[in-house]
Amino acid sequence: QQPVQSPQAVILREGEDAVINCSSSKALYSVHWYRQKHGEAPVFLMILLKGGEQKGHDKISASFNEKKQQSSLYLTASQLSYSGTYFCGTEDDNTGKLIFGQGTTLQVKP
Amino acid sequence: GAGVSQSPSNKVTEKGKDVELRCDPISGHTALYWYRQSLGQGLEFLIYFQGNSAPDKSGLPSDRFSAERTGGSVSTLTIQRTQQEDSAVYLCASNKPERSNTEAFFGQGTRLTVV
Repeated sequence: QQPVQSPQAVILREGEDAVINCSSSKALYSVHWYRQKHGEAPVFLMILLKGGEQKGHDKISASFNEKKQQSSLYLTASQLSYSGTYFCGTEDDNTGKLIFGQGTTLQVKP
Repeated sequence: GAGVSQSPSNKVTEKGKDVELRCDPISGHTALYWYRQSLGQGLEFLIYFQGNSAPDKSGLPSDRFSAERTGGSVSTLTIQRTQQEDSAVYLCASNKPERSNTEAFFGQGTRLTVV
């Protein structure tokens, strides 16, 4: 089952913060986050394994709550380069199959 | 090669023709995925190959779509009797689904236009 992302779109000013949520109806083994810039392939940001860990990548961090089957991506003090579409991906515990949410489009304006 | 390679990068075909899209994954990656991305849309799962297991074809939209993976490496996605709604970017990704690190690497995609 495809994970559900919210919101669908976000518009920010440089320096503002944003949160993107990802939820699943299935128990999760791990959650992946990717960013895709216009006309380019998605690029890996981070992976979170079950255990409630939190990770960071520059000023982008994420949390994973396996009980709630949710993950959130936090973008702090956003930069113009953060613009793009963010996808969460959930991995099947048995097969390793990776499926993605519908994406959240983030636009950072000067 | 160093990354996932897809060919062709662009393909324009006439409605009703068959097309073949190729993906060359990262060497040693046992898992290979095909996704479809229509304009402004998300990553629609099509098919998943993992090692010697039977492929997961649950995302293929119709029997006009098929894929194979030869020798656990190169994969070909075939679309028969193409329709205009098949126009999209077809992305291939590969990874090693072992428990420590399963980062997926994407190719640059094949942009298919059916006219």
